[in-house]
Amino acid sequence: EAGVVQSPRYKIIEKKQPVAFWCNPISGHNTLYWYRQNLGQGPELLIRYENEEAVDDSQLPKDRFSAERLKGVDSTLKIQPAELGDSAVYLCASSPRTSGTGTQYFGPGTRLLVL
Amino acid sequence: GESVGLHLPTLSVQEGDNSIINCAYSNSASDYFIWYKQESGKGPQFIIDIRSNMDKRQGQRVTVLLNKTVKHLSLQIAATQPGDSAVYFCAENTGTASKLTFGTGTRLQVTL
Repeated sequence: EAGVVQSPRYKIIEKKQPVAFWCNPISGHNTLYWYRQNLGQGPELLIRYENEEAVDDSQLPKDRFSAERLKGVDSTLKIQPAELGDSAVYLCASSPRTSGTGTQYFGPGTRLLVL
Repeated sequence: GESVGLHLPTLSVQEGDNSIINCAYSNSASDYFIWYKQESGKGPQFIIDIRSNMDKRQGQRVTVLLNKTVKHLSLQIAATQPGDSAVYFCAENTGTASKLTFGTGTRLQVTL
């Protein structure tokens, strides 16, 4: 079974430029998560989707970040405009359960460097 | 606020020895805990989980212990191998939402 797929794996951009990350979760997983991981720290949740609905976006900086999961499968996370502090690893995870506890399976992440 | 933390940022063990990685959590309402392993350049990989109605769970070479009285979680790795070198995170889930809170991680270094 294929795992969570993310692209690109690496991205280098100049500040104020836009950037987008793509995630395809494990087939059949209804719940999709976007996390940001700063160097030496644990992942921090940005947004959680159950099917196509964003059920928790309280940690998403909505002035510059946006996300979508239009058909309830793959998802895109966008930053516009990017700032130096956005440099981090952006992780996507998926889970087979729409409610309650469930193991989350992570993709390899996109490493973003903002210059 | 509620948080998950780790006592030691780096743990160095010799190959073949047992490793113990500790984690303290502060939210007594947390009911599900997971240990993840993250190798350089990769996403976190599920190792083992435990629910709050248990105090011990064993996997292949790994054991997780949960002490709810002192809000402490530990990961034991038997016969540590070089491939175990990575950063280990504990994560907790509180309530019915599938929302994990991660600690800052412990780096395990296995020496030959």
